[in-house]
Amino acid sequence: QVQLKESGPGLVKPSETLSLTCTVSGFSLTSYHVSWVRQPPGKGLEWMGVIWGDGSTAYNSALKSRLSISRDTSKSQVFLKMSSLKTEDTATYYCARAPRDWGQGVMVTVSS
Amino acid sequence: DIQMTQSPTSLAASVGESVTITCLASEDIYGSLVWYQQKPGKSPQLLIYGATILEDGIPSRFSGSGSDTQYSLKINSLQPEDFASYYCQNGLSTPLTFGSGTKLEIK
Repeated sequence: QVQLKESGPGLVKPSETLSLTCTVSGFSLTSYHVSWVRQPPGKGLEWMGVIWGDGSTAYNSALKSRLSISRDTSKSQVFLKMSSLKTEDTATYYCARAPRDWGQGVMVTVSS
Repeated sequence: DIQMTQSPTSLAASVGESVTITCLASEDIYGSLVWYQQKPGKSPQLLIYGATILEDGIPSRFSGSGSDTQYSLKINSLQPEDFASYYCQNGLSTPLTFGSGTKLEIK
């Protein structure tokens, strides 16, 4: 069955770069897109970006200057990198084969 | 970018009642509207896609309607497990923006 699982550091310092990995199973990254969505504590969902089956990407314009999404199809992994982190980037980060299949999310705290 | 305006922000209702949540898109999204339910500490769960198509396994008390820029999620005969947060999402074009969410609480 389709599974997605996020992994990465739970704590990152301000101004540093966040690197998250989404490891998928049950489908091919060349056939399906994977999105990243985040949710600050107690707040709503924010769409961050997507990597399409052909490898092209699209980003939230508010994050575009700091965000990069890539993949390694041989490892069935999708990567998120976001630079110049701020405390307001503290959130649970989800990867999803939207709209149906979501990872469990990984909580990332940005703090010194 | 397409903006999604969701209302109300919060809603209190009793078990057995019916409620409606609305979502207004800033431009025509041609029925490409998704509804999610999210419970605390959990990932969003797909309820409805294509504005009106109920996801497999979702109870029929959930229904979606709308077209163009105006969409609604109706929940009939609320059950205890329905008290959660609900989000709409533009599924037409990137950025795939979410509405701000509706928290449904027990009265």
